[in-house]
Amino acid sequence: GEDVEQSLFLSVREGDSSVINCTYTDSSSTYLYWYKQEPGAGLQLLTYIFSNMDMKQDQRLTVLLNKKDKHLSLRIADTQTGDSAIYFCAERPLSGGYNKLIFGAGTRLAVHP
Amino acid sequence: KAGVTQTPRYLIKTRGQQVTLSCSPISGHRSVSWYQQTPGQGLQFLFEYFSETQRNKGNFPGRFSGRQFSNSRSEMNVSTLELGDSALYLCASSNRAPSGSYEQYFGPGTRLTVT
Repeated sequence: GEDVEQSLFLSVREGDSSVINCTYTDSSSTYLYWYKQEPGAGLQLLTYIFSNMDMKQDQRLTVLLNKKDKHLSLRIADTQTGDSAIYFCAERPLSGGYNKLIFGAGTRLAVHP
Repeated sequence: KAGVTQTPRYLIKTRGQQVTLSCSPISGHRSVSWYQQTPGQGLQFLFEYFSETQRNKGNFPGRFSGRQFSNSRSEMNVSTLELGDSALYLCASSNRAPSGSYEQYFGPGTRLTVT
């Protein structure tokens, strides 16, 4: 089946690292994505990882993929107040066809001084 | 390069009416997908269009429909509006990157309120 789960809330201190976790169920998923949504805005594509990779780094962002456990994480280094937003994990299952994405419920990241 | 644009940004309709939302994808992108975002159900896939053909559909009633034009612009229509159709409707534009990956870029959304 298709299901993506995320914890709903994360609070971190400014300057610390944030780690947002996600689990998915469809082992056929080819790509896994992280999106950011700020209040009143659409979704901003942050990064993504192909299922045959286990890590991808992009500036302050590090994505780790454990395909065996179907676990994905997003680490944000040196978290800033501007990082406060909702973060969505999404899978692109092969069975879904083409560009259908299955999203988690989103993790609200709160950054405090 | 301009991003995905959606019009209108806000819309208020009454039950029973119909509504049409518009999406212009990123130049050169041929795939347009639509999603509904609500507090209760989260983000749900509505349908995808590619080269004027619907090639994927989510689990929504037939009141939800769409189309794509030859310039890749897309519209979605909701007929006989219900209160539960109040949501943020997001359009995503997609293309296959040179690396072979598929990147989906979202527009700002249309906030539909049904009263």
